[in-house]
Amino acid sequence: SQKIEQNSEALNIQEGKTATLTCNYTNYSPAYLQWYRQDPGRGPVFLLLIRENEKEKRKERLKVTFDTTLKQSLFHITASQPADSATYLCALLNTNAGKSTFGDGTTLTVKP
Amino acid sequence: SQTIHQWPATLVQPVGSPLSLECTVEGTSNPNLYWYRQAAGRGLQLLFYSVGIGQISSEVPQNLSASRPQDRQFILSSKKLLLSDSGFYLCAWSENRPTMADTQYFGPGTRLTVL
Repeated sequence: SQKIEQNSEALNIQEGKTATLTCNYTNYSPAYLQWYRQDPGRGPVFLLLIRENEKEKRKERLKVTFDTTLKQSLFHITASQPADSATYLCALLNTNAGKSTFGDGTTLTVKP
Repeated sequence: SQTIHQWPATLVQPVGSPLSLECTVEGTSNPNLYWYRQAAGRGLQLLFYSVGIGQISSEVPQNLSASRPQDRQFILSSKKLLLSDSGFYLCAWSENRPTMADTQYFGPGTRLTVL
């Protein structure tokens, strides 16, 4: 069956360090993989998109990698700040599929 | 620019009462529309999605229903609420074009408590 797995435990890091979140998937052939941020009581907000033929994408302090052989995406936040504390969701869109499927998310806490 | 509205923001309803949550999108035409439910501390559960007026796909059997009476209006309903219907309900839209990546834009959500 199809499955998307994100870090099962919450992630706690110190301010200034790099946070690395993982998204693993099975039985998908994603054409696109996206990362969203969700703050408590709010809807998710789109951050980054990476295509199946791309290895890496960057946006300011954010970096996403996509390894279709390992079936994994890594999401990095460099020089993390307390304001980066939130839940981060990955979402996959299969080739020829009409809609994305979301992982359950990883909660990141950056401590000052 | 596009905006998405949901109302109400919070709702407390007794078990067995009806439900109607509304979502509207501005600034785009023929969007894909989605209803999700999120339990506390959990991920997004896709309930319904629509690719056009009157076209609704249900993802999870339940006592909820959805309708799309107009291009940019999406309504979530129930005739009789259950305790298990409590949760955070999110509406989202995405561009309805085959080459697009289905990036979804979410509304502010409705917090529903069924007592």
